Amino acid sequence: EAGVVQSPRYKIIEKKQPVAFWCNPISGHNTLYWYRQNLGQGPELLIRYENEEAVDDSQLPKDRFSAERLKGVDSTLKIQPAELGDSAVYLCASSLGAEWTGSSYEQYFGPGTRLTVT
Amino acid sequence: GENVEQHPSTLSVQEGDSAVIKCTYSDSASNYFPWYKQELGKRPQLIIDIRSNVGEKKDQRIAVTLNKTAKHFSLHITETQPEDSAVYFCAASSWAGASKIIFGSGTRLSIRP
Repeated sequence: EAGVVQSPRYKIIEKKQPVAFWCNPISGHNTLYWYRQNLGQGPELLIRYENEEAVDDSQLPKDRFSAERLKGVDSTLKIQPAELGDSAVYLCASSLGAEWTGSSYEQYFGPGTRLTVT
Repeated sequence: GENVEQHPSTLSVQEGDSAVIKCTYSDSASNYFPWYKQELGKRPQLIIDIRSNVGEKKDQRIAVTLNKTAKHFSLHITETQPEDSAVYFCAASSWAGASKIIFGSGTRLSIRP
């Protein structure tokens, strides 16, 4: 079974430029998460999708960040314009669902996109 | 707001000894507590999790305990091996309605040969 796929793996951009990250979750996983992980810290949830609906985006800086999950499968996270402080690893994760059953909670992480803003 | 505190931030133990990492959480609605292991430059991987309806769970050399009254949970690794060296993250979440999952700040575990 293929895991969570993310691209690109690395991205270097100048500040004020736009950037986009792509995530393909594990097949059949209804819940998709985007996290930001700064060096030496734990992942910070940016947005969570249940199918195509964003159900928790309270931590997403909406002035410059946007996300979409068309058709409830792949997702993209965009930053426009990027700032120096956006340098981090952006992780995508997926899980079966949010029901209180079995292993539906378990999140599988992708390899991440390491963003460097210069 | 909701918070997860994790201690210690770094831990060094002799190979073969035990390691314990502790976390406390603030949201009383939290009912799911996973632990992730992240090796340098790699993705976090779930190593064990516990739900609020149990107080302890064990998987070979790894165990997790949960005290809901005190709002703290701990990871125990016994008979540590060099491959246990990594950063470990605890997390707490609630699946009741609007879910919040919050990660701790991580513990860098080093196993001395």
